[in-house]
Amino acid sequence: AQSVTQPDIHITVSEGASLELRCNYSYGATPYLFWYVQSPGQGLQLLLKYFSGDTLVQGIKGFEAEFKRSQSSFNLRKPSVHWSDAAEYFCAVGVEEYGNKLVFGAGTILRVKS
Amino acid sequence: SQTIHQWPATLVQPVGSPLSLECTVEGTSNPNLYWYRQAAGRGLQLLFYSVGIGQISSEVPQNLSASRPQDRQFILSSKKLLLSDSGFYLCAWRGTGPETQYFGPGTRLLVL
Repeated sequence: AQSVTQPDIHITVSEGASLELRCNYSYGATPYLFWYVQSPGQGLQLLLKYFSGDTLVQGIKGFEAEFKRSQSSFNLRKPSVHWSDAAEYFCAVGVEEYGNKLVFGAGTILRVKS
Repeated sequence: SQTIHQWPATLVQPVGSPLSLECTVEGTSNPNLYWYRQAAGRGLQLLFYSVGIGQISSEVPQNLSASRPQDRQFILSSKKLLLSDSGFYLCAWRGTGPETQYFGPGTRLLVL
């Protein structure tokens, strides 16, 4: 069965420090991979996506992610975190079943300390 | 550009009462539509999806139902709410082509 693992439930970083959020997926076919961000009480905003091609993808708000097939990973990075980046981040894989549904990880809550 | 609306934003309902949540999409035609639920500590789970008017599929049997009376309208309903129906309900749409889904602002439901 398809699954997405985000091993870190909470991460705290200092403002200006670099950030890496981990994501591992399990899916038999070529994955469509996504990172979404959710501010408290809000919907999900798409940060970036990977379908094919260049394994390093750029997204909004200065985020990037790298697809590593050998490690089944799609980690999210940002070189310098801003206080406004505090939110919950979800990694997801798009699967062919059920109308091409998204299978989400449990999320990582990012706290930024000044 | 495409936008997606959900209402109400927040709802508090007693156990056993009915439910109707609405989702509408603007700026696109014949989208695939999805209902997800985000329950505390349980991540996001797909409840229903629809590829067209009157076409509803459910992955998980539950106390809820969905309908799509118009191309860009998706409704989530229940005849009798349970405590376990509490959560944050998100509607999403996907057009043709790449698999990206775009989410609405969500409805927070609290069943007491």
